[in-house]
Amino acid sequence: DAGVIQSPRHEVTEMGQEVTLRCKPISGHDYLFWYRQTMMRGLELLIYFNNNVPIDDSGMPEDRFSAKMPNASFSTLKIQPSEPRDSAVYFCASSLLGNYEQYFGPGTRLTVT
Amino acid sequence: KQEVTQIPAALSVPEGENLVLNCSFTDSAIYNLQWFRQDPGKGLTSLLLIQSSQREQTSGRLNASLDKSSGRSTLYIAASQPGDSATYLCAVKNDYKLSFGAGTTVTVRA
Repeated sequence: DAGVIQSPRHEVTEMGQEVTLRCKPISGHDYLFWYRQTMMRGLELLIYFNNNVPIDDSGMPEDRFSAKMPNASFSTLKIQPSEPRDSAVYFCASSLLGNYEQYFGPGTRLTVT
Repeated sequence: KQEVTQIPAALSVPEGENLVLNCSFTDSAIYNLQWFRQDPGKGLTSLLLIQSSQREQTSGRLNASLDKSSGRSTLYIAASQPGDSATYLCAVKNDYKLSFGAGTTVTVRA
């Protein structure tokens, strides 16, 4: 398996623009997680899905953030409008079952100017 | 809320020395604990997963112990090599969610 795939790997955008990050989990994994990593706050869970359904979005920082999982092989994290403080590395991870080992993608480095 | 602490924040050792990385957590009702490695600008690589019912897990030169009752885990890396230089992250799982420590950045000097 190719592992968790994320795109783009790098994104530079201007404040106020819409940003969409994409993730393809490992085939057969039922759980998908979105994390954000910053120097100040470390790695934080934003939201996770089970069988394409959002289960816990308590980590989503603001209404500007939204996430969807239209099918088992694709998820998006959208920021609209983006702000400089959203600059971070965003990771997607998947696991076979909820409490099994999580496998991480390479991350998307987002810079908002 | 689960709080995960890693000590020390940074560590520099000569090649060949054994490494000891510490992780502590506040809520002992964990399902499992995972140690990750992160290289600069890269993603996370899972090193070891310890289930809450286990006391330790080993993989090659790596050994991780877990004392759930005291909220502690230790990662041992034997005979360190320059290639072991990276940031090591500890993460504990409660209710399907991983909580991460800030990491220990390791430098192994040749």
